[in-house]
Amino acid sequence: KNEVEQSPQNLTAQEGEFITINCSYSVGISALHWLQQHPGGGIVSLFMLSSGKKKHGRLIATINIQEKHSSLHITASHPRDSAVYICAVTNFGNEKLTFGTGTRLTIIP
Amino acid sequence: ETGVTQSPTHLIKTRGQQVTLRCSSQSGHNTVSWYQQALGQGPQFIFQYYREEENGRGNFPPRFSGLQFPNYSSELNVNALELDDSALYLCASSPSALNVGELFFGEGSRLTVL
Repeated sequence: KNEVEQSPQNLTAQEGEFITINCSYSVGISALHWLQQHPGGGIVSLFMLSSGKKKHGRLIATINIQEKHSSLHITASHPRDSAVYICAVTNFGNEKLTFGTGTRLTIIP
Repeated sequence: ETGVTQSPTHLIKTRGQQVTLRCSSQSGHNTVSWYQQALGQGPQFIFQYYREEENGRGNFPPRFSGLQFPNYSSELNVNALELDDSALYLCASSPSALNVGELFFGEGSRLTVL
């Protein structure tokens, strides 16, 4: 069973700050997803990674397969980035996603 | 806008009742997964369907069952509801099997069991 841990659990920052959210997992994976969940509950997929780095706008996701670690970075943070960010992994040959408990990000204007 | 719609968005049931939640996926998305998210926790995998067959199941009792239809819609059925079944139920679809493709989530169905 894969254990997925995220840090920090809660993060409050001022608008414009550079944000980093971390995710560690215990067992080798086939893919890692970064997801964003707003207060209403809907989840949006931000990235799917199996190696290296991806960038989309102000969001950057990296993964280090050897260290079993991924980071999500937000540059020039904005209040609309306030949400819960969840990392989830899939294992080889296993259909289910294992989720972390999420990081609640609040960006203050 | 993910192209995945769930219904109903909110509902209230009492213990012992049965509930059916529905999910409509994008055309061509052969894989749909259902998740239960209790308040303040991360989602938990219930099961996945691929081309109308169950393709993996999490640690949920048999009273949680599902169906996937050829028109890319699916259902989650829960019998003999318990108070602990109160949660947000999310479906996610993907054009790929085994969750190795991008995921598209619905807005969820919030179930309250009294």
